[in-house]
Amino acid sequence: SQQGEEDPQALSIQEGENATMNCSYKTSINNLQWYRQNSGRGLVHLILIRSNEREKHSGRLRVTLDTSKKSSSLLITASRAADTASYFCATGNQAGTALIFGKGTTLSVSS
Amino acid sequence: EADIYQTPRYLVIGTGKKITLECSQTMGHDKMYWYQQDPGMELHLIHYSYGVNSTEKGDLSSESTVSRIRTEHFPLTLESARPSHTSQYLCASIGQGRGGYTFGSGTRLTVV
Repeated sequence: SQQGEEDPQALSIQEGENATMNCSYKTSINNLQWYRQNSGRGLVHLILIRSNEREKHSGRLRVTLDTSKKSSSLLITASRAADTASYFCATGNQAGTALIFGKGTTLSVSS
Repeated sequence: EADIYQTPRYLVIGTGKKITLECSQTMGHDKMYWYQQDPGMELHLIHYSYGVNSTEKGDLSSESTVSRIRTEHFPLTLESARPSHTSQYLCASIGQGRGGYTFGSGTRLTVV
């Protein structure tokens, strides 16, 4: 069963603008991860935030986690055309054996 | 992206054929995974392995099988391909203490 669910499903912005994507999940987690997938390719790990962390930064990425609301957000600042991709959040499955992924947010950044 | 390699990148085959999708990683990772992903959709876990001679089925029922005879190699086999198997297959791995999965570039399979 799906654990994480991203919102919005699609997002179109201009270069230089910020992009915010949200993820909601259902059960308790140890950590939450964000991945990027360029069209037709594999996923690339972006950032991991642990359940006892509230915010984490990596370059132009900022991730927040609210365990009371079971939600996370990914902010990409000063977007570039190269940021065009699908973004997925992932959490551990109930058995703790693997990650499960949401349907992703498709981000389009136009120049 | 890759220290994990998937071949072939694209494959078109006829119904009823037996195929093996290859996945190899050079990082010495114990844990490896196969996911299936339809275009624009979420990933579904179909198989995983925690080490040599260890394989388990994932959350999504699949008619494929896997083997793990060597740490670096985790091939996926379809004994008799059907059009419903048309999808992208993604292989991933993770080592001890690593934060995230490393994914291969995927195999896009079309069964006609």
